[in-house]
Amino acid sequence: QAVVTQEPSLTVSPGGTVTLTCGSSTGVVTSGHYPYWFQQKPGQAPRTLIYNTSGKHSWTPARFTGSLRGGKAALTLSGAQPEDEAEYCCLLFYRGVWVFGGGTKLTVL
Amino acid sequence: QVQLVQSGAEVKKPGASLKVSCKASGYTFTTYAIHWVRQAPGQRLEWMGWIHAGNGDTEYSPKFQDRVTIIRDTSASTAYMELSSLRYEDTAVYYCARATNWGFWGQGTLVTVSS
Repeated sequence: QAVVTQEPSLTVSPGGTVTLTCGSSTGVVTSGHYPYWFQQKPGQAPRTLIYNTSGKHSWTPARFTGSLRGGKAALTLSGAQPEDEAEYCCLLFYRGVWVFGGGTKLTVL
Repeated sequence: QVQLVQSGAEVKKPGASLKVSCKASGYTFTTYAIHWVRQAPGQRLEWMGWIHAGNGDTEYSPKFQDRVTIIRDTSASTAYMELSSLRYEDTAVYYCARATNWGFWGQGTLVTVSS
């Protein structure tokens, strides 16, 4: 089974910009992997931020943007807020099977 | 509004079976598939499988293929995830989520496997 990789942790300053990435052991991540991004805070269910690479739900703050960059899926946070401190997890689709990444713990400091 | 409400926490013994329910409301149940995902303490999310609520088609993760069964009851707008031959490492929070953009999640069901 494919392995999905993410940075274990990142730190961003309030108001700053940070990009989280999501790579695949099988090679380049494409739109055909339907990349998803989820935000999860302690004790809560995940909340879907981005679907199908760059789609946003009605509740997704405008400061979050999804894209493909350098062979990976990417989540860019522009203008970080204290409430953005959380775990961010990506999800990729491989011919009928979904695989989650290990998550990135984002600290806003 | 769309809601997925899961059954309550459970404590199970090793070797036992588990059945978690996920009751949907606020939309036409048979229009969407339902995913099942779990998260062991301190671990990453794991996709277990999904069922199309309309035709009942399922797909399972290879990791759980031989132990998991996902079914649905359209009359009750409810999906179920059954996991057999429980092990200590099956201790986790189990979630259901509505497919098509994964927009809605259940609240999670804590399952503890303990002797």
